[in-house]
Amino acid sequence: EPEVTQTPSHQVTQMGQEVILRCVPISNHLYFYWYRQILGQKVEFLVSFYNNEISEKSEIFDDQFSVERPDGSNFTLKIRSTKLEDSAMYFCASSLGGNTIYFGEGSWLTVV
Amino acid sequence: EDKVVQSPLSLVVHEGDTVTLNCSYEVTNFRSLLWYKQEKKAPTFLFMLTSSGIEKKSGRLSSILDKKELFSILNITATQTGDSAVYLCAVELQGAQKLVFGQGTRLTINP
Repeated sequence: EPEVTQTPSHQVTQMGQEVILRCVPISNHLYFYWYRQILGQKVEFLVSFYNNEISEKSEIFDDQFSVERPDGSNFTLKIRSTKLEDSAMYFCASSLGGNTIYFGEGSWLTVV
Repeated sequence: EDKVVQSPLSLVVHEGDTVTLNCSYEVTNFRSLLWYKQEKKAPTFLFMLTSSGIEKKSGRLSSILDKKELFSILNITATQTGDSAVYLCAVELQGAQKLVFGQGTRLTINP
């Protein structure tokens, strides 16, 4: 069964460093998303991406965050200058649109 | 503000019991309601509900949506230890490419 894959599964980074989280969405999907889940809290929407541009973003997704689809398969989330409060599980997801949203296994980011 | 509330937050039952998990919502523009199971990492899809009163079923799991009263339930019959997980309810908004999640129900099935 096709799945969303994410790398790395776990990353530890120093505060202020840049981090790039990578995702390979399901191949025929058109909509791509990033969500995050701080330990013990709700899953929160960050950003959605369609037709090579951001279609929606939350208040969390400030200027420190950016997304890119550099080629036909990868979808990346960059955090420019990490803060302690960015520590969370980051989930990539994809969908055909109007259909089920499928999630990857997540990338656990620890900022120290 | 769009809101999804799940109850109970935590539930411990014995293997073989039947459980009912609740999800209520207040959103500006409802499109669909989804249930996910989160065991260790990725939420895995269970059901997508768009119409009121139509039960969706998959094995021992079933779910139904009430768009008038703005809630959904997820039923699990003859529970097994493998059903232990956090069950997430999420609402998809019309015209917005995003899901609003509830806080989840942590279900523990004891042998």
